[in-house]
Amino acid sequence: DAKTTQPTSMDCAEGRAANLPCNHSTISGNEYVYWYRQIHSQGPQYIIHGLKNNETNEMASLNITEDRKSSTLILPHATLRDTAVYYCIVRGINTGTASKLTFGTGTRLQVTL
Amino acid sequence: ETGVTQTPRHLVMGMTNKKSLKCEQHLGHNAMYWYKQSAKKPLELMFVYSLEERVENNSVPSRFSPECPNSSHLFLHLHTLQPEDSALYLCASSQDVQPHRELFFGEGSRLTVL
Repeated sequence: DAKTTQPTSMDCAEGRAANLPCNHSTISGNEYVYWYRQIHSQGPQYIIHGLKNNETNEMASLNITEDRKSSTLILPHATLRDTAVYYCIVRGINTGTASKLTFGTGTRLQVTL
Repeated sequence: ETGVTQTPRHLVMGMTNKKSLKCEQHLGHNAMYWYKQSAKKPLELMFVYSLEERVENNSVPSRFSPECPNSSHLFLHLHTLQPEDSALYLCASSQDVQPHRELFFGEGSRLTVL
């Protein structure tokens, strides 16, 4: 699976959009981009995933660049409850098992008043 | 509420104790997992079960013994643990073990070994 690079931490004011970047320059054609988050002392929570088109669900939007070498997770109106560690994971759909998601160290998002 | 319930949420045990962690999923999934998360470290996969059969054992010491009596329940039996085993133990489930499946995690059992 391709390696990802994320900033260690970010701050965002409540009510503003939180844009979390992720670089995955070695991504290959059959690899998806997944985002999970982990609120303090809880288990990780799936947010969204995509292949090449932008995706949106009730939690967030995922913008993937045309060359697929980077992506941005967007929380349109961040709240204090969005404070968490956000993990960007690149995962092939034809190799290994679901358990092989490698979470890395992620981005610690702090939403402030 | 993720549909994956772990008990107990907190456990303190001595090194000579025997205890068990329990996980139950209400999602109709066929795969279940145990992960370990130590302080300031990424999640480490411990065990994977698919349709009640263990399909992965990630070089976990024998003092950790998993049990999967049916596709909805998963246990982690703990025996003669070490202080360095203190961590957050997370259970997860997925529809099956296909690589694109989403993992649904429980809230974890925080274990402290004295």
